[in-house]
Amino acid sequence: DQQVKQNSPSLSVQEGRISILNCDYTNSMFDYFLWYKKYPAEGPTFLISISSIKDKNEDGRFTVFLNKSAKHLSLHIVPSQPGDSAVYFCAASKSGYALNFGKGTSLLVTP
Amino acid sequence: DTGVSQDPRHKITKRGQNVTFRCDPISEHNRLYWYRQTLGQGPEFLTYFQNEAQLEKSRLLSDRFSAERPKGSFSTLEIQRTEQGDSAMYLCASSLSGPQGVYGYTFGSGTRLTVV
Repeated sequence: DQQVKQNSPSLSVQEGRISILNCDYTNSMFDYFLWYKKYPAEGPTFLISISSIKDKNEDGRFTVFLNKSAKHLSLHIVPSQPGDSAVYFCAASKSGYALNFGKGTSLLVTP
Repeated sequence: DTGVSQDPRHKITKRGQNVTFRCDPISEHNRLYWYRQTLGQGPEFLTYFQNEAQLEKSRLLSDRFSAERPKGSFSTLEIQRTEQGDSAMYLCASSLSGPQGVYGYTFGSGTRLTVV
């Protein structure tokens, strides 16, 4: 059973615009959420995280929003750059143990 | 410290052979995790260690799989009698856990296993 879902397999955005990647989860016990970026033949690279006591966390161009009542989180990248083109994975866990990943969203930022 | 290191990067083996992968975590991290990723999927949790103790194993970890972390530092993942379905990217991650939470959940570059 897929406890973390990324319903958009791909997204294309123009350079300079905002990229919004979405993620839904089903397990209300999840309290720690992360976003990873992945290039082919490499491991996932950590981008940003948020705990359930917050509803927003910012780091430079990256902001993660958490809506606990809707069991939804989103990653905003602004402004988007061509180097942001990669597969983005959402992950969730209980207390930071095993991560449950979505299937990923492939982001393409075009010049 | 250069992050989480995994060796080898690629392994091709014949069905039925045993393979062993190694992971060296970030030195100050006390937790070490193994994941498996197949094409079109996100990484799937296999097992994790807190120091040298293996505290959780996924149902994905069949009897043919065994993981160790003998001195609480590096870890090995062994697959016995490999099957074609074991072909995947095997990822190792480490993190630091403490009273304030979990920090620095970092992945290695993975070992790509191909069973022929």
